Amino acid sequence: GENVEQHPSTLSVQEGDSAVIKCTYSDSASNYFPWYKQELGKGPQLIIDIRSNVGEKKDQRIAVTLNKTAKHFSLHITETQPEDSAVYFCAASYNTDKLIFGTGTRLQVFP
Amino acid sequence: DAGITQSPRHKVTETGTPVTLRCHQTENHRYMYWYRQDPGHGLRLIHYSYGVKDTDKGEVSDGYSVSRSKTEDFLLTLESATSSQTSVYFCAIRSTGGTGETQYFGPGTRLLVL
Repeated sequence: GENVEQHPSTLSVQEGDSAVIKCTYSDSASNYFPWYKQELGKGPQLIIDIRSNVGEKKDQRIAVTLNKTAKHFSLHITETQPEDSAVYFCAASYNTDKLIFGTGTRLQVFP
Repeated sequence: DAGITQSPRHKVTETGTPVTLRCHQTENHRYMYWYRQDPGHGLRLIHYSYGVKDTDKGEVSDGYSVSRSKTEDFLLTLESATSSQTSVYFCAIRSTGGTGETQYFGPGTRLLVL
């Protein structure tokens, strides 16, 4: 079955710097890759997703890249702000069905 | 929040007792999912449903059962709770948005089994 690895587990950056979180997946049949942000005591919130027919997707300060050959995808956050501090999860699935999650990255943005 | 509510939001129970968690959605979504979240494991799929009375197992289904008698409600039951089932439980729905289908999560239920 699918396995998703996520790195790093913790990431500390200065406000205004960029942050990059990387994930690898094992099942070449996976074609849907969402990223979720989770704040303390809340449910995961979808922030961006990408499908396998696209190599990159941007939404304001957030971007995701996908390399199908290498089976890895990354989340890029530019101009980080303190409110970006949270736990971020990547996931992979076939056709938006049963999501397999990475183990999470705790991002801290220091003012 | 995609119209998802979970109840109860917090529960403390004792080992061996049955527990039922409820997920309720208001937007007539066909697909619903139950995940559990534990430190070091991310979220893991327990069971899912692709319609009324149609359910299937996920990767960590042992000790859990589900039922869906109405489109809007997806129930997760721990037949005899164990301490290893102490976790945060999230319900999700699969929704079609502007750029395609995706999953949205509820606020979670924090369960402590003593």
